Amino acid sequence: DAKTTQPPSMDCAEGRAANLPCNHSTISGNEYVYWYRQIHSQGPQYIIHGLKNNETNEMASLIITEDRKSSTLILPHATLRDTAVYYCIVRVGSSNTGKLIFGQGTTLQVKP
Amino acid sequence: NAGVTQTPKFRILKIGQSMTLQCTQDMNHNYMYWYRQDPGMGLKLIYYSVGAGITDKGEVPNGYNVSRSTTEDFPLRLELAAPSQTSVYFCASSQEQNTIYFGEGSWLTVV
Repeated sequence: DAKTTQPPSMDCAEGRAANLPCNHSTISGNEYVYWYRQIHSQGPQYIIHGLKNNETNEMASLIITEDRKSSTLILPHATLRDTAVYYCIVRVGSSNTGKLIFGQGTTLQVKP
Repeated sequence: NAGVTQTPKFRILKIGQSMTLQCTQDMNHNYMYWYRQDPGMGLKLIYYSVGAGITDKGEVPNGYNVSRSTTEDFPLRLELAAPSQTSVYFCASSQEQNTIYFGEGSWLTVV
């Protein structure tokens, strides 16, 4: 089973920040948090990942709590093209196994 | 670099037929994965591999087989196709904790 919990759906107004939460209360010290999104039936698209520090790239920011039990993906200025299913993933097991389990994700609807 | 390439993109199979979904990557990644995605659902891990010669079951391995004879290739075999295997199949690869790259998907219908 997935080790992450996400709300099934969220709405966001176009131009506003979208904040997508994820709980991963059983995360281990060497496990990374990844965020991916999937638009329609395309292959999932990488957004960002992190271990314990906050991360930022051209697409989004990732805020990880100090105890690492939860994180938030922030899309600073959501557009209609950001409407997608967003997956928060924790790499299961040690780096020697690498098994990746997807949860159900959050369907983000950006509205005009 | 082509990234992760899957073939075929679309296929219709009859019940009981066999086929192989091909996946190849040109990034020299050690980790490769096969997922399936049913309509309106999330991705389910079928099999994965952490290197040539090493494969392991994921969440939904029944009805499938894989092999990893080279670093580049990770084919997925369906031996006796069933309607329940109608799905979109995604192959992916990564290098340890780095970015995971997905293929564009293979749409399979079993009738």
